[in-house]
Amino acid sequence: EAGVTQSPTHLIKTRGQQATLRCSPISGHTSVYWYQQALGLGLQFLLWYDEGEERNRGNFPPRFSGRQFPNYSSELNVNALELEDSALYLCASSLDWDSYGYTFGSGTRLTVV
Amino acid sequence: GENVEQHPSTLSVQEGDSAVIKCTYSDSASNYFPWYKQELGKRPQLIIDIRSNVGEKKDQRIAVTLNKTAKHFSLHITETQPEDSAVYFCAASIPNGQNFVFGPGTRLSVLP
Repeated sequence: EAGVTQSPTHLIKTRGQQATLRCSPISGHTSVYWYQQALGLGLQFLLWYDEGEERNRGNFPPRFSGRQFPNYSSELNVNALELEDSALYLCASSLDWDSYGYTFGSGTRLTVV
Repeated sequence: GENVEQHPSTLSVQEGDSAVIKCTYSDSASNYFPWYKQELGKRPQLIIDIRSNVGEKKDQRIAVTLNKTAKHFSLHITETQPEDSAVYFCAASIPNGQNFVFGPGTRLSVLP
């Protein structure tokens, strides 16, 4: 069974640009969760998508947005990039989140210069 | 909202010794508490979890205890090995949001 896959692995952008990160959940998982892991910090909840809808978002500005496609894959878009957006962005999916937890992807390392 | 504290931030033990990491949470509605291990440059991986109706759970060298009244839970690793070296994150569920609040992490180093 393929795990959660994320692309690209690394992404370098200039301040003010837009970044698009992609995630494919485990087959059969309909929910996708996005987290930001800044260097030396813990995981901060960004967004939760289920059945194509945004169900919940964390304490991040509106320039962090995304969507979920009919095949349950997801995109995270970050507009007007700032230097402090540099972080590892982790996507996760779950069959039953509060019974089995998350399965995380390997992440996209976003560097804003 | 939920707040999760985790201690210590760094922990060094000799190979074969035990390691204990402690977390506290604030929201009594949290009912599921997973622990994740993240090795350098890799994804966080679920290593053990516990639900609020259980006081203790064990899986080989790893155990987790939960004190719901005091709102704290702990990870215990016995007979530590060098491959246990990693950052460990505790988390508490946010029932209505279907997400977790994570602790800031503990960097465990097992010295040979």
